[in-house]
Order: sequence, then structure tokens, then C-alpha cells
Amino acid sequence: QSVLTQPPSVSAAPGQKVTISCSGSSSNIGNNYVSWYQQLPGTAPKLLIYENNKRPSGIPDRFSGSKSGTSATLGITGLQTGDEADYYCGTWEGSLRVFGGGTKLTVL
Amino acid sequence: QVQLQESGPGLVKPSETLSLTCTVSGYSISSGYYWGWIRQPPGKGLEWIGSIYQSGSPHYNPSLKSRVTISIDRSKNHFSLKLSSVTAADTAVYYCVRDWGATGIDCWGQGTLVTVSS
Repeated sequence: QSVLTQPPSVSAAPGQKVTISCSGSSSNIGNNYVSWYQQLPGTAPKLLIYENNKRPSGIPDRFSGSKSGTSATLGITGLQTGDEADYYCGTWEGSLRVFGGGTKLTVL
Repeated sequence: QVQLQESGPGLVKPSETLSLTCTVSGYSISSGYYWGWIRQPPGKGLEWIGSIYQSGSPHYNPSLKSRVTISIDRSKNHFSLKLSSVTAADTAVYYCVRDWGATGIDCWGQGTLVTVSS
């Protein structure tokens, strides 16, 4: 059972927009930055969003992040088949780094 | 460009100690950041094991704390993980990472699968 709650799966058609939610509490998301990671099949996770809404160099602006209270959201616009992956949110709870259970994105 | 590479046995017997090393290239561990380990059981999500600052004490996941040791060797620019008394539940892909602390994890090794089996 993960500390942060994500939907197990989401799907959308190419070119469409999708959002992935990450729900926590005041002990974690409510008082800490949220980061998002993309894990393509068979590869290591990659940082997509840090400090709630910032993109590392090289991450296209199709990816966006937001946070409100104890929840965070990852948005992806202009979906591509190459976006099919597992997406994880992460933050801190005290001195423990915690993650969501992951969301599998299917681009239909 | 910083790169991390895990190395160590891919098969460990139950009750023995799992030992992995992460070699860092393109960046000096002594320059800063936290350095840590994350694991992912087959078909499951991510679990933080712990991390260590380049000059500080390590921090561990409380659920693993009694069995985990993370250490740094600055002379070799690598850091290590030891997990004792392993069971089948410790079978996972183990990733070494460069951790930005509050900000996020900005660099991951490719991961190494460790199977616990007799």
C-alpha cells in the first residue's frame, strides 16, 4: 500500500490531453515539493517534473505539473505513442522519501 | 554528463547479505548532493531504501533500517549498499540515484536485478 495514491491506469488517444492525479496528506504533499517520474518499459525512471511544476532541461513543455493542498497533478498534452509508460509521483514524509503506486498510461 | 552504474551479484541466497556498488562518472561525489538507493520488485512500484549526503550521516527507510547500510568511498567516487538477512521479498531491480533532496531525484542508474533464491 503506497503512501501516495495514484490511479492504476489512464488512457487517451494520440494528440489528446491526459491528467494523472497524486493524492497525499498534510504529512507529505501538503508540506513538501512533489516530483514526477516517467518509466518507459524496461528502463529506469526519469525525472519529468521537480518542485511541483518545474521541468528539467530537455523535458518538453507538453508535460506540466501542479500542486494544490495535499494533491498534485501531472498533465500531458499532445499525447504521443512514445508517452506510453508508468508515471510515479514522489515527495517526502518526514525523513522518508515516498512514492505513489504508479499510473500506467496507455495511448490508444 | 553524470552517469551512475550499479554492480554486484545478481543472485543472493536467503539469509545472506546483498552487496551492491554504484560507480559515479562525470561528477565528483564530494561536490555535493545526496546519493541513494531505490528498489522496484518485479511488476511493482518504487521503494526508497535510503540515502547519504557526501559528508553526512545516512538516512534509511524505517522498514529496512535494521538491515541496511549505505556508505560512500570518495577516493573511488562510488557508494555502496548492503542489505542483510535477505529473503525472497528483497528480490527487485535496485537503482542507485543522485538525489536532489527536497527537489527530486535527477539521475538514475540503469538498475540491476537481484534475485534472492537458494
